[in-house]
Amino acid sequence: DAGVIQSPRHEVTEMGQEVTLRCKPISGHNSLFWYRQTMMRGLELLIYFNNNVPIDDSGMPEDRFSAKMPNASFSTLKIQPSEPRDSAVYFCASTEDRLNTEAFFGQGTRLTVV
Amino acid sequence: GNSVTQMEGPVTLSEEAFLTINCTYTATGYPSLFWYVQYPGEGLQLLLKATKADDKGSNKGFEATYRKETTSFHLEKGSVQVSDSAVYFCALCPSSGGSYIPTFGRGTSLIVHP
Repeated sequence: DAGVIQSPRHEVTEMGQEVTLRCKPISGHNSLFWYRQTMMRGLELLIYFNNNVPIDDSGMPEDRFSAKMPNASFSTLKIQPSEPRDSAVYFCASTEDRLNTEAFFGQGTRLTVV
Repeated sequence: GNSVTQMEGPVTLSEEAFLTINCTYTATGYPSLFWYVQYPGEGLQLLLKATKADDKGSNKGFEATYRKETTSFHLEKGSVQVSDSAVYFCALCPSSGGSYIPTFGRGTSLIVHP
C-alpha cells in the first residue's frame, strides 16, 4: 500500500478563498483523523471519522471548517472562507480501529493563507 | 480525560551523547503507548510501541519501557546521530471505551550537532 495520501502538499491562497484538502486513507483502515499542526498549539485533533461517519468534531475550530468522508477511500477538509490564522500543516491519519494499533500519517498539506 | 505530557524542547545534544526524553501519561485502564518521530517536512511515523506494563519497545537503537507504576514511557538512546534530529511525539491509545482515538503529547524537538 502507498500509505496515506494527501493532496496538495502545499497550498497558498488568499484570505477569503475556499480551500479543500484531500486525503486517501490506507485501504482497510476504518478510522480517519484530521489534525492541524502549528508551532503555538502543537498537534490538534480536528475531527475523527469511524466507518465514514463523523464521530467527534469537537476540535473543529469554527463553522468555517467542514469535513466529509463520502466513502471509505476519500475524505476532504474544507475551509471557507480561509483566514491567515488558518495557516498551518494539516495532517490526515488512518488506523484499523482496534486495540494496540498505530496511526499512519500522510505527509501533510502546508497551507498558507495570505 | 486522557493526556500525555512530555518534556519541552528543544533538546540539543552532540553526536554520540545519551538521549532521554521524558513522557508521562494519564489514562484509565491500560492504554497502548507509542513514540512517533517526525522528520522535517514529513508526517509522523511510528518509532516504537508497547502494549502492556513492563513491555519494552525498541527500534533503531531507541528504547522505551512501559512503567505502569509511574505512568511513564521515557524514550532513550545510548548514542544519538545527526540523522536523529527530528521531533518526537509520545502518544497513547485507550484500551477501552469503544473509540481508539490516539492522544498525542506536544512533541519534543531534538537537535544533534556533529
